[in-house]
Amino acid sequence: KAGVTQTPRYLIKTRGQQVTLSCSPISGHRSVSWYQQTPGQGLQFLFEYFSETQRNKGNFPGRFSGRQFSNSRSEMNVSTLELGDSALYLCASSWTGTGGSYEQYFGPGTRLTVT
Amino acid sequence: SQQGEEDPQALSIQEGENATMNCSYKTSINNLQWYRQNSGRGLVHLILIRSNEREKHSGRLRVTLDTSKKSSSLLITASRAADTASYFCATDGNGNQFYFGTGTSLTVIP
Repeated sequence: KAGVTQTPRYLIKTRGQQVTLSCSPISGHRSVSWYQQTPGQGLQFLFEYFSETQRNKGNFPGRFSGRQFSNSRSEMNVSTLELGDSALYLCASSWTGTGGSYEQYFGPGTRLTVT
Repeated sequence: SQQGEEDPQALSIQEGENATMNCSYKTSINNLQWYRQNSGRGLVHLILIRSNEREKHSGRLRVTLDTSKKSSSLLITASRAADTASYFCATDGNGNQFYFGTGTSLTVIP
């Protein structure tokens, strides 16, 4: 089975711009979660999508949004980029979406640098 | 914040030695998982332990869970240079919302 893929792997943007990141989960996985990882804050949960619906959301401003398509692929969008948005954005997919009794499979991440 | 904390933040050992890292968390959980991350890469799932389990083994890994103390430990036996990575514990919150700890950076010296 192919693993979780994320595109692009690296991105450099300017403050004020917007960016869209893409994640393709493992075939058959219906849950996709997004995380932001920075040296200062560690791994922070952004949101989780299951069957095209946002089911959980972390504590991030509305500039961070996402969506999931019928094939379970997911995108996240960050509008009006700030310097503090520079981070590694990780996507993870899992088989089921309930109860926390499953493992998550992570993609390699997208390294976003905002200048 | 429900985020867990790993201890120590960094650990350096010789190849062949055992490495122990600890995780403390704040709320009740259904499961606790451990992940490994090589520098700048995605996380790899290592082991899951349920709240009604006290110990679990997988190869050279041994995980313990003490729900009364809200803590878990990960033991890596007979460490190898390839074990050099950051290790995170993750607890489940609401449904699919995971809370990751701050991580332990392990360096295994050949």
